[in-house]
Amino acid sequence: DGGITQSPKYLFRKEGQNVTLSCEQNLNHDAMYWYRQDPGQGLRLIYYSQIVNDFQKGDIAEGYSVSREKKESFPLTVTSAQKNPTAFYLCASRRRTGTYTDTQYFGPGTRLTVL
Amino acid sequence: ELKVEQNPLFLSMQEGKNYTIYCNYSTTSDRLYWYRQDPGKSLESLFVLLSNGAVKQEGRLMASLDTKARLSTLHITAAVHDLSATYFCAVDLLGNQFYFGTGTSLTVIP
Repeated sequence: DGGITQSPKYLFRKEGQNVTLSCEQNLNHDAMYWYRQDPGQGLRLIYYSQIVNDFQKGDIAEGYSVSREKKESFPLTVTSAQKNPTAFYLCASRRRTGTYTDTQYFGPGTRLTVL
Repeated sequence: ELKVEQNPLFLSMQEGKNYTIYCNYSTTSDRLYWYRQDPGKSLESLFVLLSNGAVKQEGRLMASLDTKARLSTLHITAAVHDLSATYFCAVDLLGNQFYFGTGTSLTVIP
């Protein structure tokens, strides 16, 4: 089955702790994205990557870090510098074509709560 | 910065009725996407609109795009309870990133 997996589904973080959210895709997509969703709100872009070993900041990158060492993996680290990390985190991927017409496909999400 | 606005933000409608959700965006783009999100779940792709005048239909949902007016609509025909969800539009700028609207929370009442 082709798709995007995220783990864990639920994550609890203590104050001052770094945590890493996993995102893996087997769709052979070039581009991958991380979004944050707060209750009752839309999606805000944290980071995105269009090719391996390259990534760009989105609108709310402060307090987050990413890596893209493999095409199929795009982990997100929520650092202690992120003051209000409680949210629903969604990973997405997209086939990168010459005309960029494909939609984004989303993983099931990770719900992060700060204790 | 590209701004994407949806209205209404909340919509409560009776089964069998018709309604339209509007998505306005602030910068020229000819790529517009619609998604559905069920409570506590991820986003599911509904429609991809890639040119001015594009119209796509799936079941009771029909989406259209007017790039000159920078407006997309999602029309619901004869609503049923299963359509209750939050609907997002997203605009693709330069093929790099999507800008999402605020979402429209739809509740269909029996």
